[in-house]
Amino acid sequence: GAGVSQTPSNKVTEKGKYVELRCDPISGHTALYWYRQSLGQGPEFLIYFQGTGAADDSGLPNDRFFAVRPEGSVSTLKIQRTERGDSAVYLCASSLGAWGRDTGELFFGEGSRLTVL
Amino acid sequence: SQQGEEDPQALSIQEGENATMNCSYKTSINNLQWYRQNSGRGLVHLILIRSNEREKHSGRLRVTLDTSKKSSSLLITASRAADTASYFCATYNTDKLIFGTGTRLQVFP
Repeated sequence: GAGVSQTPSNKVTEKGKYVELRCDPISGHTALYWYRQSLGQGPEFLIYFQGTGAADDSGLPNDRFFAVRPEGSVSTLKIQRTERGDSAVYLCASSLGAWGRDTGELFFGEGSRLTVL
Repeated sequence: SQQGEEDPQALSIQEGENATMNCSYKTSINNLQWYRQNSGRGLVHLILIRSNEREKHSGRLRVTLDTSKKSSSLLITASRAADTASYFCATYNTDKLIFGTGTRLQVFP
C-alpha cells in the first residue's frame, strides 16, 4: 500500500482479555517500530524490528507485551491479560532502514486505539 | 522515556502570527526531527536537521539547532488555522527515535 496501515483502528476489550494489533508497513521498509501514546503525551517507544528480528525491545513495559514480524513485513503486537492501564493509542511506523542507512524519517500509521474496560 | 522536552506545552495564536516552539534534549545527537500530529491521527514528518547544521528552512517552517545548548526551535511563519496540531521533536537513542512531550498549537481564524 501507499502508507502504513494499522488494524483495527479501534478496539474495545475487557480487562484480562488477549488483544492483537496489526501493522502493515510501507513495502520495502526494513525497519518497523511500535509506539504507545497516551492522551496529551508524546509517543513512547515500545519495540523496533530490523527485518524479522527485534533489534530493540527495551520499551516493552512487561512480559504481557510481545511483538512479532515473522516474514519481515507485517508485524503484530500482542497484549496478554490486558489491564485498564494498557488503554492508549498504539502507533506503528516504518522506515527504509536503521539509522545511518537513510534519512531516519519515520512514516506512521493512523494508530490503533485500545480501550480496556 | 522521553528524550526531549518541548516548550511551551500549549500555544494559542491568531492566523497570520508566527508560532515558535522550543525543544531541549539530553544526549548528543546526529540529527533532530520535527513531527506534526493532527488530533486523532498519526504523526507526519516535517523536517530533519543534522547536527552540523544550524538552520534549515522548508516552506513556512524554519528550524534552528544549537548543539552547545542541546536545543532546537521550530518557527511557523504566517500561521493558518490548518496548522492547528501537536508538534513533537525527536532524536535517536541508538536505533530508536525518541519523542518529546509535544507542543499543542491552536491557531484561531
